[in-house]
Amino acid sequence: NAGVTQTPKFQVLKTGQSMTLQCAQDMNHEYMSWYRQDPGMGLRLIHYSVGAGITDQGEVPNGYNVSRSTTEDFPLRLLSAAPSQTSVYFCASSYTTNVEKLFFGSGTQLSVL
Amino acid sequence: EDQVTQSPEALRLQEGESSSLNCSYTVSGLRGLFWYRQDPGKGPEFLFTLYSAGEEKEKERLKATLTKKESFLHITAPKPEDSATYLCAVQVYNQGGKLIFGQGTELSVKP
Repeated sequence: NAGVTQTPKFQVLKTGQSMTLQCAQDMNHEYMSWYRQDPGMGLRLIHYSVGAGITDQGEVPNGYNVSRSTTEDFPLRLLSAAPSQTSVYFCASSYTTNVEKLFFGSGTQLSVL
Repeated sequence: EDQVTQSPEALRLQEGESSSLNCSYTVSGLRGLFWYRQDPGKGPEFLFTLYSAGEEKEKERLKATLTKKESFLHITAPKPEDSATYLCAVQVYNQGGKLIFGQGTELSVKP
């Protein structure tokens, strides 16, 4: 089992560029989510999904889109990158929507210039 | 507004010097409280889940406890390998899959 796999590990964008952060899990988890981690602010939920075809907004959804076409994959799209989106992004999954135990990926460090 | 606050922000201990980390929460209805460990450059790793006041969980040198207002992570006789950032999170009833995380406590244990 690979667990939760995130790609890329590092990315530098220019303001206005778009990109997709990839997240895949091989544990057949129902629940998947995206967090961003900024110094002094902890982890903040961007979007989450409780199953294929179902997504919902978290605490800081503006500027980000998600979709969940399969159980395994949950990509995060930045449509027009802004410097405020410079952060470390983590994907996490859980077996059920009760979110009793989250499994995290290793993160993507994103810089927007 | 639902809130989670961790203290202290940073804690430096000598090897063998026991201490506690605090996680205080203000939520409309607590469904569960979680502790995670995060090493530099890595994603958080699950430690414990607590559901009700009075509940305790243990793992090696770590013991988590829960009251109606806060949770403590007690570290007994820590070792340098316990150095990490410890994160607390809560799940609130009727808010689906949303977790609210605290800012974390950065623990450093010196030999």
